[in-house]
Amino acid sequence: GDSVTQMEGPVTLSEEAFLTINCTYTATGYPSLFWYVQYPGEGLQLLLKATKADDKGSNKGFEATYRKETTSFHLEKGSVQVSDSAVYFCALSSNQAGTALIFGKGTTLSVSS
Amino acid sequence: DTEVTQTPKHLVMGMTNKKSLKCEQHMGHRAMYWYKQKAKKPPELMFVYSYEKLSINESVPSRFSPECPNSSLLNLHLHALQPEDSALYLCASSQEATSGPRRGEQYFGPGTRLTVT
Repeated sequence: GDSVTQMEGPVTLSEEAFLTINCTYTATGYPSLFWYVQYPGEGLQLLLKATKADDKGSNKGFEATYRKETTSFHLEKGSVQVSDSAVYFCALSSNQAGTALIFGKGTTLSVSS
Repeated sequence: DTEVTQTPKHLVMGMTNKKSLKCEQHMGHRAMYWYKQKAKKPPELMFVYSYEKLSINESVPSRFSPECPNSSLLNLHLHALQPEDSALYLCASSQEATSGPRRGEQYFGPGTRLTVT
């Protein structure tokens, strides 16, 4: 079945450092790919998405490119801030109507000033 | 408006209580979901409603009973819960789209933090 594998961390960085969180997937067909962010005590927020190969999703300085050849969707940010401290989930959708998202295990990011 | 609302934000209940969680969205989405999330884990799917009909039940114990009164509302009725049911309960919604830029995209509410004593 479909699955998502992401680095579990925790990832600890200093402010303004470069961030990469790796995410790879296994899926049949052409899934849509997402990054969700969860701040402490809150629900999940959609951070960015890509629906087809070579699409680049971007939001709030974060970027990820849908790479079909390497089945990857790595999250990057050039300069992290303390406010980026959160848990980041990579997820895929098989695009069948009404089916659940398949999540990676989540990566905790902690940014210090 | 991409908001999904959930009430209450926090709930403490005893093992003999009956309570309900409520979720609402006004985005015209026709699929709604209940997820359970334990600390430091990803969300786990519990139920899916598609066009107000239950389409997926992930072998959830009968002490959890979902209800979809209309296309904007989703409830989760709780009865005789166990302490291990303590978790964050997340509601989500999505379009029933299998193509286009919104396909697969789910919007989550802030969750209800449930503690069973």
